[in-house]
Amino acid sequence: SQKIEQNSEALNIQEGKTATLTCNYTNYSPAYLQWYRQDPGRGPVFLLLIRENEKEKRKERLKVTFDTTLKQSLFHITASQPADSATYLCASSGSTGFQKLVFGTGTRLLVSP
Amino acid sequence: DTGVSQDPRHKITKRGQNVTFRCDPISEHNRLYWYRQTLGQGPEFLTYFQNEAQLEKSRLLSDRFSAERPKGSFSTLEIQRTEQGDSAMYLCASSLVAGGPNNEQFFGPGTRLTVL
Repeated sequence: SQKIEQNSEALNIQEGKTATLTCNYTNYSPAYLQWYRQDPGRGPVFLLLIRENEKEKRKERLKVTFDTTLKQSLFHITASQPADSATYLCASSGSTGFQKLVFGTGTRLLVSP
Repeated sequence: DTGVSQDPRHKITKRGQNVTFRCDPISEHNRLYWYRQTLGQGPEFLTYFQNEAQLEKSRLLSDRFSAERPKGSFSTLEIQRTEQGDSAMYLCASSLVAGGPNNEQFFGPGTRLTVL
């Protein structure tokens, strides 16, 4: 079955550093991957989408890469701030397009001042 | 507020009782999704609608669960004979069928269910 894996351990970094989160997928080839941010007690909020034919996508301090050979996506936050502390979820629709999402477990990011 | 809304935000019930949750999607969105999220996990897909038609149901959705979207607008999720294992956050999301370059799903704040 389709599976998305993220590092379940929290990532602790200092303010100003670059945070890098990893998302690996197995048993299928997603047409795209999405990244969401989730704060405690709230629903996920969409951040970025990257398609299988795109190597890299940027939005302000965020950058996402997609390596179909490694079956991996990396999510970077540059010049991190304490306000970036949250859980970041990787999600995929599977290989058929825009339908239900399969989420990873999420990685909690803690940015210290 | 034109985002996705869910009601109630919190529900505490006793085992064996029935509960019903409501989701109001963004008005022009024709797709509506239900997910369930437990602590430390990502959301798990339960079911989705396109307009009033329920197009897919997860195997997670046992016979005790039923969802409706009668007029293609708001949706309800009912759980009958609740069990302690049903305790979770129930998230609703909506999107357009062909929603631009990102086709992202917009999530509501969730309904947290606690079954005692």
